[in-house]
Amino acid sequence: GENVEQHPSTLSVQEGDSAVIKCTYSDSASNYFPWYKQELGKRPQLIIDIRSNVGEKKDQRIAVTLNKTAKHFSLHITETQPEDSAVYFCAASTGGGNKLTFGTGTQLKVEL
Amino acid sequence: KAGVTQTPRYLIKTRGQQVTLSCSPISGHRSVSWYQQTPGQGLQFLFEYFSETQRNKGNFPGRFSGRQFSNSRSEMNVSTLELGDSALYLCASSSDWYQETQYFGPGTRLLVL
Repeated sequence: GENVEQHPSTLSVQEGDSAVIKCTYSDSASNYFPWYKQELGKRPQLIIDIRSNVGEKKDQRIAVTLNKTAKHFSLHITETQPEDSAVYFCAASTGGGNKLTFGTGTQLKVEL
Repeated sequence: KAGVTQTPRYLIKTRGQQVTLSCSPISGHRSVSWYQQTPGQGLQFLFEYFSETQRNKGNFPGRFSGRQFSNSRSEMNVSTLELGDSALYLCASSSDWYQETQYFGPGTRLLVL
């Protein structure tokens, strides 16, 4: 089955800096890659997603890149703010339904 | 539209008991997926239901089961509870066939003593 690895497990940045979180997947048939943000005690919320026919997608300060050949995708957050502090999960889906395989999460801390 | 709701929000059970958790998807959504979240294992897929049929299943023992009703509401059941079943159980709904945005509910936190 699909396996998703996520790095780093923790990331601390200064406010205003950029943050990058990387994920690799094992199943070359995976074609949908969402990113979720989960604040403490809250439900995961989708922040951005990308499909395999697209190499990059941006939404304001957030961007995701996908390299199908290398089977990895990354989340980029620019101009980080304290409210960006949360756990971020990457996920991959192979299709034939809505089964998501999640990475292990990255605890992002934005320091003032 | 109202979001995904789950009941109950918190539950305490003892080993050997069984438990039923409920999930009401966003109105109009026909797909409901269930996930288990633990500090050690992270977010793991349990199963997915679409139009009352189980469409996908994760690698959990048969003690974990689910169903979906004609109004798309879903329930999951865990029989013969073990200490290791203590977790946050999240359901997520999406609108259509596959790879659509999944919206998560607040979760049911289960503690097995």
